[in-house]
Amino acid sequence: TQLLEQSPQFLSIQEGENLTVYCNSSSVFSSLQWYRQEPGEGPVLLVTVVTGGEVKKLKRLTFQFGDARKDSSLHITAAQPGDTGLYLCAVSIQGAQKLVFGQGTRLTINP
Amino acid sequence: GAVVSQHPSWVICKSGTSVKIECRSLDFQATTMFWYRQFPKQSLMLMATSNEGSKATYEQGVEKDKFLINHASLTLSTLTVTSAHPEDSSFYICSAYGTPSYNEQFFGPGTRLTVL
Repeated sequence: TQLLEQSPQFLSIQEGENLTVYCNSSSVFSSLQWYRQEPGEGPVLLVTVVTGGEVKKLKRLTFQFGDARKDSSLHITAAQPGDTGLYLCAVSIQGAQKLVFGQGTRLTINP
Repeated sequence: GAVVSQHPSWVICKSGTSVKIECRSLDFQATTMFWYRQFPKQSLMLMATSNEGSKATYEQGVEKDKFLINHASLTLSTLTVTSAHPEDSSFYICSAYGTPSYNEQFFGPGTRLTVL
């Protein structure tokens, strides 16, 4: 059973459209991170959300942490081809530094 | 700052041979390094945690005798895939914790291993 369930797993949309991807769990977390990974590269941290209900913005990307700190969403406004990549949510477990990743959402933005 | 490098970036080897992958923290001291494996179209799966100067801790299902990890210094960890087989072909990624930030893992660019 996956600790973090991401949906959708694949998403292909046209440039200029908006989209939302989700990261859900039945567990409560003290924080949650979002990463983007491009083919042949390591993941790059986009944001860490800590407080229930927190909203963080990174240019056209809006991240929200659920009130109960069990889920999170990533919304992209006016998607661009440069947003193409694998979006991963991750949490630290067992009070340690180990990260557990969701399955990822593979996003393709078509020109 | 906080750059992690991996070498090689890709390697092709014959079945039965061993391959060593290096992970270096270039501008900080990494007290803890992690090794992940990522199969095509899949997410990252943690293989092991290595702390400088001590034995690595392996995740359930990861063969410690097959994936040898050494973290001999605060800037270098190595992963050796012994007696590699085609099913070991994967993208191996390391990450590191340490100064300057203990709140963020810094990931390397990955190593693509292909075993023929």
